[in-house]
Amino acid sequence: QQQVKQSPQSLIVQKGGISIINCAYENTAFDYFPWYQQFPGKGPALLIAIRPDVSEKKEGRFTISFNKSAKQFSLHIMDSQPGDSATYFCAARGNTPLVFGKGTRLSVIA
Amino acid sequence: EPEVTQTPSHQVTQMGQEVILRCVPISNHLYFYWYRQILGQKVEFLVSFYNNEISEKSEIFDDQFSVERPDGSNFTLKIRSTKLEDSAMYFCASSENPGREVGEQFFGPGTRLTVL
Repeated sequence: QQQVKQSPQSLIVQKGGISIINCAYENTAFDYFPWYQQFPGKGPALLIAIRPDVSEKKEGRFTISFNKSAKQFSLHIMDSQPGDSATYFCAARGNTPLVFGKGTRLSVIA
Repeated sequence: EPEVTQTPSHQVTQMGQEVILRCVPISNHLYFYWYRQILGQKVEFLVSFYNNEISEKSEIFDDQFSVERPDGSNFTLKIRSTKLEDSAMYFCASSENPGREVGEQFFGPGTRLTVL
């Protein structure tokens, strides 16, 4: 009930391509869905977040798509760059602490 | 830009020893958190702290763990008798509020704890 399932575990994308990472949840009380970006040796940093009253949120090259009925949300990185290579975590919370997915290691190759 | 800092960056200790991990949250933040990340696994919530008391804790945060805000700037996590399975990266985070409106927790760079 408290889990957030994230896929894929790893992803390799060509420079300029679209990176897509998916997450699914069970707890309908979740009402805040952030994505975190983590570089090696650093802590997670908030990238973008969405609440379930909207189906999409875009900030620059990063877009969250949210499907409330399917209890799924995804991160799309447009025009992926080598500097985007990092581990990405989806997370969720309601009246609970943040619950993280297992992470996706993204490698963007030239 | 203000940031959360943590010391030490790496701590090696013998099983059964006590360790104290230190954090300096962002100065105007009121809510503080500890998370851990076992190598290659997801980030897991340990505890949240507000107004000098624990507001929430996970099942991981058992009696061997404690947190303290000993002064106006530091926030510490103490592990009384370390076990091999405590080896992980420990992240401190802070936020202006618990997240109902803004939701952003700022994470420190972490302390890598290695228990031998």
